[in-house]
Amino acid sequence: DQQVKQNSPSLSVQEGRISILNCDYTNSMFDYFLWYKKYPAEGPTFLISISSIKDKNEDGRFTVFLNKSAKHLSLHIVPSQPGDSAVYFCAASVGGSNYKLTFGKGTLLTVNP
Amino acid sequence: KAGVTQTPRYLIKTRGQQVTLSCSPISGHRSVSWYQQTPGQGLQFLFEYFSETQRNKGNFPGRFSGRQFSNSRSEMNVSTLELGDSALYLCASSSTGIANEKLFFGSGTQLSVL
Repeated sequence: DQQVKQNSPSLSVQEGRISILNCDYTNSMFDYFLWYKKYPAEGPTFLISISSIKDKNEDGRFTVFLNKSAKHLSLHIVPSQPGDSAVYFCAASVGGSNYKLTFGKGTLLTVNP
Repeated sequence: KAGVTQTPRYLIKTRGQQVTLSCSPISGHRSVSWYQQTPGQGLQFLFEYFSETQRNKGNFPGRFSGRQFSNSRSEMNVSTLELGDSALYLCASSSTGIANEKLFFGSGTQLSVL
């Protein structure tokens, strides 16, 4: 039973345009959500997070939106840059226990120059 | 500040053997988590240690075990290796693992079971 789903295995966008990565979850107990970015041969690195008490969080070019009623979150990258090309993982946790994250399977983002 | 260090980077083993992977967390971090990444299943939580105690465990068979030392370094062991254990094993650390702290990941150990 996959509790965090990223239904798009890959996404390709042009440099300078917006990238939108989507994530759905089924466990209503999740109260904290994170996005991680992963380059080949490296471990995931934290990108941005959002608590369930918020519906939006911004950090520079990255914005995460949370729709609790739809159990859906999205990551917007504006403008997209070639260096953003990586696998993006959505993750969720319960009760602040971030040592136990439930991850989606990832979306490979390719930003074309 | 040094990051999370995992050794070795690559391992090749044969079925039935056992393997031990090592993780050194960021200095001052007391929580160490382990994850398995496979192409089909993504990243899955194995277990977490805090102050030498296993605090939580994922849905993996008993062949997967771990421990943490007093200096917070952690090891995970997989006994009686199976072909399906081929994966990237990632270690992550944080100060306490709670209160929505960020996890910092190492680069992983790529295990191939032949």
